[in-house]
Amino acid sequence: EIVLTQSPGTLSLSPGERATLSCRTSQSVSSSDLAWYQQKPGQAPRLLIYGASSRATGIPDRFSGSGSGTDFTLTISRLEPEDFAVFYCQHCGSSPPHTFGQGTKLEIQ
Amino acid sequence: EVQLVQSGPEVKKPGESLKISCKASGYSFTDYRIVWVRQMPGKGLEWMGIIQPGDPDIRYSPSFQGQVTISADKSISTAFLQWRSLKASDSAMFYCARRDGYCSRSGCYRYFDLWGRGTLVTVSS
Repeated sequence: EIVLTQSPGTLSLSPGERATLSCRTSQSVSSSDLAWYQQKPGQAPRLLIYGASSRATGIPDRFSGSGSGTDFTLTISRLEPEDFAVFYCQHCGSSPPHTFGQGTKLEIQ
Repeated sequence: EVQLVQSGPEVKKPGESLKISCKASGYSFTDYRIVWVRQMPGKGLEWMGIIQPGDPDIRYSPSFQGQVTISADKSISTAFLQWRSLKASDSAMFYCARRDGYCSRSGCYRYFDLWGRGTLVTVSS
């Protein structure tokens, strides 16, 4: 089973700033199998990024993903008030389980 | 409208059984896998298992194998998650989600693009 480790656990930033979230996998994975989700309080997760760098439908272009091998990054170029939430990375490989990282909480400073 | 509609909140006692549901609409139910995800209070997302409706192959996370049963009834476009004997530690929010994906020259892409709103299960004596 592939383990995903996200850092930092909590990120405190202000609107307008740039956010950089990290996801490290316990073994090298295909970029096509790495996804990012956003979850706001009381809501279901929402797909942001799939294939490490492709934005899901309707996701603003301030969200971007990058990375390969074992190191992946989600970047939010200029934070909007509605962006503050918990973010999860996930490995969606051909063989389950499709594990999630433990999450990064992005909070308003 | 393409959506997954989950059954309502449940309050149960330890030892009771439970079956919660996830009804798909707006798309062909048998064309996509459905996954179940647990979220304990204040905690992260845990992948429980996945089913391809109409296919007998169901995969479980080792953490949930033997603890829950995932099933689907394609005649009513609904997936299910059930417990035979609940424990207090089963109290959580449970989400179903649809797995989508495609293959191109650069690889095969898989992701969970459609989520239900969740079913809150509370187990307390």
